[in-house]
Amino acid sequence: EDKVVQSPLSLVVHEGDTVTLNCSYEVTNFRSLLWYKQEKKAPTFLFMLTSSGIEKKSGRLSSILDKKELFSILNITATQTGDSAVYLCVTTLNTGNQFYFGTGTSLTVIP
Amino acid sequence: DGGITQSPKYLFRKEGQNVTLSCEQNLNHDAMYWYRQDPGQGLRLIYYSQIVNDFQKGDIAEGYSVSREKKESFPLTVTSAQKNPTAFYLCASTAEREGTDTQYFGPGTRLTVL
Repeated sequence: EDKVVQSPLSLVVHEGDTVTLNCSYEVTNFRSLLWYKQEKKAPTFLFMLTSSGIEKKSGRLSSILDKKELFSILNITATQTGDSAVYLCVTTLNTGNQFYFGTGTSLTVIP
Repeated sequence: DGGITQSPKYLFRKEGQNVTLSCEQNLNHDAMYWYRQDPGQGLRLIYYSQIVNDFQKGDIAEGYSVSREKKESFPLTVTSAQKNPTAFYLCASTAEREGTDTQYFGPGTRLTVL
């Protein structure tokens, strides 16, 4: 059975801390892995990863994929209260058109 | 502006009533999806449609129905057969192009059954 597992389920940090969110997956015919940020409304897209070892960066956020060990990490440096959200990891397959979501990591950044 | 719209934002329903949630996109996307999100859980797929007049059941389709008569529209009906319909419902769409896996989400509809 295809599955996506995120850890930790929740995290509380202070502003300025660096956090690492984890996503491991077991899917057949893997095509890509995506990260989304959800703040009490619709998820917003962060990154799409298809190749191992290539880091994607956007400001204080970065992500990398390891297709051999079947996981991805999302790093957030110098966290701010605006980073508080649920971060969702999603995988897509080469067959069919479904997206497999993890349960998400709830991040709370306190001042 | 291109995007996905869902209406209404909040919806209240009495037990035993059917209700239809609207989802419209003007992104010219082929594939559309309906997800349900419950507190502490990830998004679970209800139905998806890759082309007009065709749709497939997702993981939790029981008690729901959909139609795809137009490319732009993918309404979801929550029937009285759905035992626990109170949830946040998200509609999404994707383009069917190589290298484009990004799903675009609507703002969601929060359904409460009284």
